[in-house]
Amino acid sequence: EAGVAQSPRYKIIEKRQSVAFWCNPISGHATLYWYQQILGQGPKLLIQFQNNGVVDDSQLPKDRFSAERLKGVDSTLKIQPAKLEDSAVYLCASSSRSSGANVLTFGAGSRLTVL
Amino acid sequence: QQQVKQSPQSLIVQKGGISIINCAYENTAFDYFPWYQQFPGKGPALLIAIRPDVSEKKEGRFTISFNKSAKQFSLHIMDSQPGDSATYFCAASIGDNYGQNFVFGPGTRLSVLP
Repeated sequence: EAGVAQSPRYKIIEKRQSVAFWCNPISGHATLYWYQQILGQGPKLLIQFQNNGVVDDSQLPKDRFSAERLKGVDSTLKIQPAKLEDSAVYLCASSSRSSGANVLTFGAGSRLTVL
Repeated sequence: QQQVKQSPQSLIVQKGGISIINCAYENTAFDYFPWYQQFPGKGPALLIAIRPDVSEKKEGRFTISFNKSAKQFSLHIMDSQPGDSATYFCAASIGDNYGQNFVFGPGTRLSVLP
């Protein structure tokens, strides 16, 4: 099966600009996660979707971050306006009950550099 | 209470040696403890996982030891190889109707010298 697809792989922007990342999970995976991984740290959950509904967005900085999964398939994470501390790798992951709801499959990530 | 602590931060092992990474948690509601392996430029990939009803799980050269009373678990890599050089993350999760809510440790960078 195809893996979790993410784009772009790399993005460099100036602070206060906006950026969007796209994720296409494994086909049939109902649960989709966005994680932020700052250099040298473990992934930190930003938002979790079940189909097109939000399950957990308690750690999403809602004043600048937004995410949607309109049709319950692919998802977009947006940052506007970006801050220097948003420099990180943004990882998308998916899981499903049929393949083991406790097994996360990650994409390769989108590396953001904010100057 | 949602934190997972991990040590050491980095580890250097000779080829053929044993690599040991330790993790500790506080929340006794966690019911699933995976280890993820991450190579540079790649996303983390599931390596091995354990539930708290067993004290040890072995898959090839990789073993998880779990101590429920101490709220600690560890990853042992036997006969470490240069190809094992990567960053390892322990994690803990709580399951619900929507799937698992994962918390990751800060990671251990393992270097296996040839």
